[in-house]
Amino acid sequence: AQSVTQLDSQVPVFEEAPVELRCNYSSSVSVYLFWYVQYPNQGLQLLLKYLSGSTLVESINGFEAEFNKSQTSFHLRKPSVHISDTAEYFCAVSPAYSGAGSYQLTFGKGTKLSVIP
Amino acid sequence: DAGVTQSPTHLIKTRGQHVTLRCSPISGHKSVSWYQQVLGQGPQFIFQYYEKEERGRGNFPDRFSARQFPNYSSELNVNALLLGDSALYLCASSLTGLSNQPQHFGDGTRLSIL
Repeated sequence: AQSVTQLDSQVPVFEEAPVELRCNYSSSVSVYLFWYVQYPNQGLQLLLKYLSGSTLVESINGFEAEFNKSQTSFHLRKPSVHISDTAEYFCAVSPAYSGAGSYQLTFGKGTKLSVIP
Repeated sequence: DAGVTQSPTHLIKTRGQHVTLRCSPISGHKSVSWYQQVLGQGPQFIFQYYEKEERGRGNFPDRFSARQFPNYSSELNVNALLLGDSALYLCASSLTGLSNQPQHFGDGTRLSIL
């Protein structure tokens, strides 16, 4: 079984300041890692994913996340946030194999990012 | 291209009633998953279907059931509703549902139990 811990439930940050949203996971098997964003009254949108290869992955809107296997972390960062980044961010994992138990995403409880003008 | 569509968007029911939620996946996607998101929590996995077969089930009671139709759309049914079933129910689709494929989510059905 997998579990995901997002250490901060709320993160306020001033516009144009950097931000880091923390995510740690626990799993007895290798995992794929995802960050999803949820705007009010909407579903989840995939922000970025780590499947294999380079441990640093980037999104098209300036976010990046780094997979650290030794620390079992996948923290999300952005060097300069905008008002439009205000949303809830969810870290998720799924087992990196095919077969029973592998077809589900396990989510953290989410981090609400509030960008202050 | 249309994304994942869910209906209805909002629903109010009373305890003990039954509810059916509907989901249409992105065209070409053969896998549908259902998640429950209680206020203040992350989504929790309920079911995954692929080619009309149940391929995964989360830790939910038998009051929850689902099915997938030949056109790959899906229904989630919940019987004997409890207050604790109040949540946002999210449907997600992907090509085959394998764990390395991103899941595309709909905007959800918000279910309120009175």
